[in-house]
Amino acid sequence: GENVEQHPSTLSVQEGDSAVIKCTYSDSASNYFPWYKQELGKRPQLIIDIRSNVGEKKDQRIAVTLNKTAKHFSLHITETQPEDSAVYFCAAGMDSSYKLIFGSGTRLLVRP
Amino acid sequence: NAGVTQTPKFQVLKTGQSMTLQCAQDMNHEYMSWYRQDPGMGLRLIHYSVGAGITDQGEVPNGYNVSRSTTEDFPLRLLSAAPSQTSVYFCASSYEGGNTEAFFGQGTRLTVV
Repeated sequence: GENVEQHPSTLSVQEGDSAVIKCTYSDSASNYFPWYKQELGKRPQLIIDIRSNVGEKKDQRIAVTLNKTAKHFSLHITETQPEDSAVYFCAAGMDSSYKLIFGSGTRLLVRP
Repeated sequence: NAGVTQTPKFQVLKTGQSMTLQCAQDMNHEYMSWYRQDPGMGLRLIHYSVGAGITDQGEVPNGYNVSRSTTEDFPLRLLSAAPSQTSVYFCASSYEGGNTEAFFGQGTRLTVV
């Protein structure tokens, strides 16, 4: 089955710096790659997603890139702010499966 | 539109007890799933359902049962609770399963002593 690995497990950056979180997946049939943000004590919520027919997608300060050949995708947050502090999860899914498999999460701390 | 609603929010069980975690959604989604969240382990899929009457196992199904009698409800049953089942449980629903956004409930924090 699909396996998703996520790095790093923790990331500390200075406010205004960029943060990058990387994920790799094992099943080449996966074609849907969402990113979720989970604030302390809250539920995970989708912040951005990308499909395999697209190499990059941006939404204001957040961008996701996908390299299907290497089977990895990354989340980029620019101009980080204290409210970006949270746990971020990547995931992989596919049209032919009803499963969405998550990575182990990255705890991002943005220092003021 | 309440989205995905889970009850209870907190629960303490003794080893060997049974209980049911409730999950309901009002978005008319066919696909529902249960995840557990443990420190450093991310969100691991327990069971999922692709519609009323249809369920299947995820990554960590042992010790849990599910059923789906209606589109709206997807309860998770712990038959004989063990300390290893201490975790935060999330129910999620989505329009088309593994290739669309999953909407999560607020979670249930379960402690087994």
